[in-house]
Amino acid sequence: GDSVTQTEGQVTVSESKSLIINCTYSTTSIAYPNLFWYVRYPGEGLQLLLKVITAGQKGSSRGFEATYNKETTSFHLQKASVQESDSAVYYCALAPNTDKVVFGTGTRLQVSP
Amino acid sequence: GGIITQTPKFLIGQEGQKLTLKCQQNFNHDTMYWYRQDSGKGLRLIYYSITENDLQKGDLSEGYDASREKKSSFSLTVTSAQKNEMAVFLCASSIRGSEQFFGPGTRLTVL
Repeated sequence: GDSVTQTEGQVTVSESKSLIINCTYSTTSIAYPNLFWYVRYPGEGLQLLLKVITAGQKGSSRGFEATYNKETTSFHLQKASVQESDSAVYYCALAPNTDKVVFGTGTRLQVSP
Repeated sequence: GGIITQTPKFLIGQEGQKLTLKCQQNFNHDTMYWYRQDSGKGLRLIYYSITENDLQKGDLSEGYDASREKKSSFSLTVTSAQKNEMAVFLCASSIRGSEQFFGPGTRLTVL
């Protein structure tokens, strides 16, 4: 089947420090699925942060980056310097076909001042 | 831009009751989705629909029915609410193969 694993349920980082949120995926449906990061800010709905559809490529948005690594089947989310406003829940997701998206369990990021 | 509206925002039901959640989108997207989110868990797909009058089961379809009578609307029915059930139901829409846009959610509590 298809699955996404986010090992950290919650991450706390001090403001201006670097961040990495881990995501690995597994799929039997397609060799190179589309990969996504979605984010839910407090009081807001779930929204797309970035997506990458080509293996080996990097996506970026709002200072966040994620690289599609087909060798390690990973799509880790990174930011060089986090801000308090980045506090949110981040979901990694993959699309094994054109209709379905499989989500990870989410990682809550708390940025402390 | 567009918007996805979910009604009601909060839904309180009794055990065994049939409950209906509604979703409307004005993106003119073909595909719509219903997800369930439990505390500490990811989004689990209940039903999706790739066009009007189409229904496809997701991983969690047992105990639910869905209806897509118009392109812009997608309803979900909990056929028999389970006691102490608490979850958030999220509706989404997309162009096939592209990003999904989500509604604000309906929070269900069953007494």
